[in-house]
Amino acid sequence: AQKVTQAQTEISVVEKEDVTLDCVYETRDTTYYLFWYKQPPSGELVFLIRRNSFDEQNEISGRYSWNFQKSTSSFNFTITASQVVDSAVYFCALLTTDSWGKFQFGAGTQVVVTP
Amino acid sequence: GAGVSQSPRYKVAKRGQDVALRCDPISGHVSLFWYQQALGQGPEFLTYFQNEAQLDKSGLPSDRFFAERPEGSVSTLKIQRTQQEDSAVYLCASSLDAALNTEAFFGQGTRLTVV
Repeated sequence: AQKVTQAQTEISVVEKEDVTLDCVYETRDTTYYLFWYKQPPSGELVFLIRRNSFDEQNEISGRYSWNFQKSTSSFNFTITASQVVDSAVYFCALLTTDSWGKFQFGAGTQVVVTP
Repeated sequence: GAGVSQSPRYKVAKRGQDVALRCDPISGHVSLFWYQQALGQGPEFLTYFQNEAQLDKSGLPSDRFFAERPEGSVSTLKIQRTQQEDSAVYLCASSLDAALNTEAFFGQGTRLTVV
């Protein structure tokens, strides 16, 4: 069975602070993909990143960075120098090779950035 | 269009009424998914199409829910005899090919309220 846990329900920060969102996943598959999506108030899910289970290199994209650690089954996401536009709900999701198209999403973490 | 388009954006239905939700995927995308997102929760998988074939409908909560994609492009999610527990945001997503684990692009969703 697949499971994604985002233990943080809501994180509030002041602009320019860094914020780290935790994601822990469970799967018995050896080949799987992990995703982060952003859901702004408008409702659509915006794709941020995809990692496969064989690539543990950390990745940085502008103010965003991701830390994938298979040993702890975690795929954490950090926003550096947060901005008000980063306010949204962020979802971590898991996709396995035996469940094409069936994303397993976490419950999401609401990030509130105040000026 | 450039993205996944869903209509209507908002729908209010009286309990017992039938509703039809439409999804226009990105042109050329083979795979199409429907997800249900309850308030404060992550999206939950409903069903998945590869072209016109419905490959997985394991997430449909009851036989009142029916989805189709007759020509492998536009899809319709139909809910018969709506109940209050059907109130949620219904998200549609498409991808080039789920079998390749390409990222899914989501629409803005249809917010269904059953009164």
